[in-house]
Amino acid sequence: RKEVEQDPGPFNVPEGATVAFNCTYSNSASQSFFWYRQDCRKEPKLLMSVYSSGNEDGRFTAQLNRASQYISLLIRDSKLSDSATYLCVVNTPTSGTYKYIFGTGTRLKVLA
Amino acid sequence: GAGVSQSPSNKVTEKGKDVELRCDPISGHTALYWYRQRLGQGLEFLIYFQGNSAPDKSGLPSDRFSAERTGESVSTLTIQRTQQEDSAVYLCASSLPGGAGGELFFGEGSRLTVL
Repeated sequence: RKEVEQDPGPFNVPEGATVAFNCTYSNSASQSFFWYRQDCRKEPKLLMSVYSSGNEDGRFTAQLNRASQYISLLIRDSKLSDSATYLCVVNTPTSGTYKYIFGTGTRLKVLA
Repeated sequence: GAGVSQSPSNKVTEKGKDVELRCDPISGHTALYWYRQRLGQGLEFLIYFQGNSAPDKSGLPSDRFSAERTGESVSTLTIQRTQQEDSAVYLCASSLPGGAGGELFFGEGSRLTVL
């Protein structure tokens, strides 16, 4: 089983739609959780951290369910510019240090 | 510059040659990571440095791959006797002292093509 799993998509949605992505992780000792965004042929960039109580940043809402070991990202009122790959990232303790494990990403295409 | 800098941005080499990829992290970032991303795939962890030491090398795919870091700054990733399956984008990222919660800042990557 992969340490971090995501549905690869693609998710094709019309402008203005609401779309949700889920991600599951296998290591219950994981400490921190993030969503990164990666545009085609570009490097990943932090979209938002995910906090235990859930958090919102404009049209984006992230939630964490530690009991079920999954993380979600909700995008409301989708824009064309939201088209990208969304990477779920989990920070996991290993051998006395921490390692950032990336999911393979979920591709989103917002259609006009 | 203010960001993570990687060089070369593009490298085309022949099978069997050695290549060296360089990463210059953000000043003050003691944690440095190398990832590999094959076309259409996710990021594959290679190695992590805290300062000049590498507590986690578990992702290096074979003994043809090695990395070092000096002066708690620049890191080089060396691939010996390159194979076609080494073709990928090699991404470097840095963060403040390693631990849970820090944002990773990525360079633009080094795109390696092995013919």
